[in-house]
Amino acid sequence: AQSVAQPEDQVNVAEGNPLTVKCTYSVSGNPYLFWYVQYPNRGLQFLLKYITGDNLVKGSYGFEAEFNKSQTSFHLKKPSALVSDSALYFCAVISRTDSWGKLQFGAGTQVVVTP
Amino acid sequence: DAGVTQSPTHLIKTRGQQVTLRCSPKSGHDTVSWYQQALGQGPQFIFQYYEEEERQRGNFPDRFSGHQFPNYSSELNVNALLLGDSALYLCASSSPGTASGEQYFGPGTRLTVT
Repeated sequence: AQSVAQPEDQVNVAEGNPLTVKCTYSVSGNPYLFWYVQYPNRGLQFLLKYITGDNLVKGSYGFEAEFNKSQTSFHLKKPSALVSDSALYFCAVISRTDSWGKLQFGAGTQVVVTP
Repeated sequence: DAGVTQSPTHLIKTRGQQVTLRCSPKSGHDTVSWYQQALGQGPQFIFQYYEEEERQRGNFPDRFSGHQFPNYSSELNVNALLLGDSALYLCASSSPGTASGEQYFGPGTRLTVT
């Protein structure tokens, strides 16, 4: 069965420190990979995606993610976290055999950035 | 340029009732997907509409049905509501032929079933 795992329910980091949110997947082939962020009482906002090419993908708000095929991981990173980065982060995949783009999400990781 | 809009924002229904949720896609998008996000969980795919037809469906019972109109807006209908249907229902829109493209989400409708 295909799955997306976010092993940490919550990540705590001090403002200015590096932020990493982990994601691993178990999907046949090389899926498309996404990160979304959700603020309280808001819908999901797209951060970045990996389709092909360079394993390091740069996205919105200073976030980047590293695709590692051998470890089937797609970890989200930010060099210097801000208090405003506190939110719920979701990793998601779309199978390359899917013509219509059904997103399969992980359970989410709550990021708390303290001043 | 309006993004994805959903109505209503909140809804309270009684078990056994029926509910209709509405979604207008982002301008230029003609594909609409619906997701259910239970408390503390990631969104789960319900179904997707394109050209007024259901193109793909997740593991949801037939109580969940939908419709897409010629203007690309969409409705999600849930019959015979159960307590377990309480969740945030998210609508997402995207451009055609872009399975790898990002989906734009609306703010969601919070459904509470009592």
